[in-house]
Amino acid sequence: DGGITQSPKYLFRKEGQNVTLSCEQNLNHDAMYWYRQDPGQGLRLIYYSQIVNDFQKGDIAEGYSVSREKKESFPLTVTSAQKNPTAFYLCASSPGTGVGEQYFGPGTRLTVT
Amino acid sequence: RKEVEQDPGPFNVPEGATVAFNCTYSNSASQSFFWYRQDCRKEPKLLMSVYSSGNEDGRFTAQLNRASQYISLLIRDSKLSDSATYLCVVINYGQNFVFGPGTRLSVLP
Repeated sequence: DGGITQSPKYLFRKEGQNVTLSCEQNLNHDAMYWYRQDPGQGLRLIYYSQIVNDFQKGDIAEGYSVSREKKESFPLTVTSAQKNPTAFYLCASSPGTGVGEQYFGPGTRLTVT
Repeated sequence: RKEVEQDPGPFNVPEGATVAFNCTYSNSASQSFFWYRQDCRKEPKLLMSVYSSGNEDGRFTAQLNRASQYISLLIRDSKLSDSATYLCVVINYGQNFVFGPGTRLSVLP
């Protein structure tokens, strides 16, 4: 089955620690995205990547970093510089940037205390 | 003005009712439009694309009004299972997807 996987589903960390969220897709999509969603809020774009070894900042990139070494994988690191990291993180992919529909993974719910 | 705006609701409707949501967008060059559905604590899932000629999928009808820059979603014969948040998405070709904040629907027994 083609799709997007994110792991883990729930993640708990202490303040001051970096944490990496996994995102893998087997849809052969070129573009991948990371969004953050806070309770009762819409999706906000953190980073996106149009092609391997290339990525761009979204609207709220501060305190986050990404890599795109393989087409299938787009991990997100939430660094200790992110002031309010507790949120629901969603990874998505599409055939190209702004092309076709976007498909989402099941999300990772991160809690930092 | 935000690029994509939606009435956050909630819309509380009885089972069997017809309900309609609108979504307005500010960029007249926007080219592609979608409705997504998001259940509580889940990921958004594509509900339907919105075509210039309008499209229908069972109880759901989507319309695009380019002149007034809005898209609409009509749900007929509402079911309890339709309770969710409905997100509209706008794309300017070659650029990123812009999500509206969502409209929450509760269908009541």
